[in-house]
Amino acid sequence: AQRVTQPEKLLSVFKGAPVELKCNYSYSGSPELFWYVQYSRQRLQLLLRHISRESIKGFTADLNKGETSFHLKKPFAQEEDSAMYYCALVGGNTPLVFGKGTRLSVIA
Amino acid sequence: NAGVTQTPKFQVLKTGQSMTLQCAQDMNHEYMSWYRQDPGMGLRLIHYSVGAGITDQGEVPNGYNVSRSTTEDFPLRLLSAAPSQTSVYFCASSYPTSPSTGELFFGEGSRLTVL
Repeated sequence: AQRVTQPEKLLSVFKGAPVELKCNYSYSGSPELFWYVQYSRQRLQLLLRHISRESIKGFTADLNKGETSFHLKKPFAQEEDSAMYYCALVGGNTPLVFGKGTRLSVIA
Repeated sequence: NAGVTQTPKFQVLKTGQSMTLQCAQDMNHEYMSWYRQDPGMGLRLIHYSVGAGITDQGEVPNGYNVSRSTTEDFPLRLLSAAPSQTSVYFCASSYPTSPSTGELFFGEGSRLTVL
């Protein structure tokens, strides 16, 4: 069965500090991993996906198959990064499975 | 281009009442789905559809019915509401019949309270 684990419900960091939101997954095949973000009063939206290997809003995430992880990182947090972040996984033709989410709070 | 539109945005029901949450998309997306969002539980899939006339159950389908008579619409029905169905409901769609691209487009959500 597919499973996504986000161990932190809440992560608080100071502005300018590095951020790492943890995501671990369980899947027997080759998964596709994603990060979604929900800013206050906005719709849930795709932030980035591992296959594109791009940096969005300063965030990056590397798929580590050995550790079955897909942690989201940003070197210098900004106040506007405060939001709910969801890691998600797709395996084969199955629907997207989300983790429980981590609320990031960036303190000025 | 409105994207994914959900109605109503807010609804209060009494236990045992029925209602339908509406979802419509104007992007000609084949894949549509319903999630519920609960504190500490994340987003859990209720039902999904890979095209008109085809629906399937997700992780938490009990108490909910769906149908897909057109590409555009994917209503979610609560036949006999229970307090455990108090939640925020999100409809989401994507173009391929397989959601493997991962880019779901979400509606704004419908907040349902069952008393």
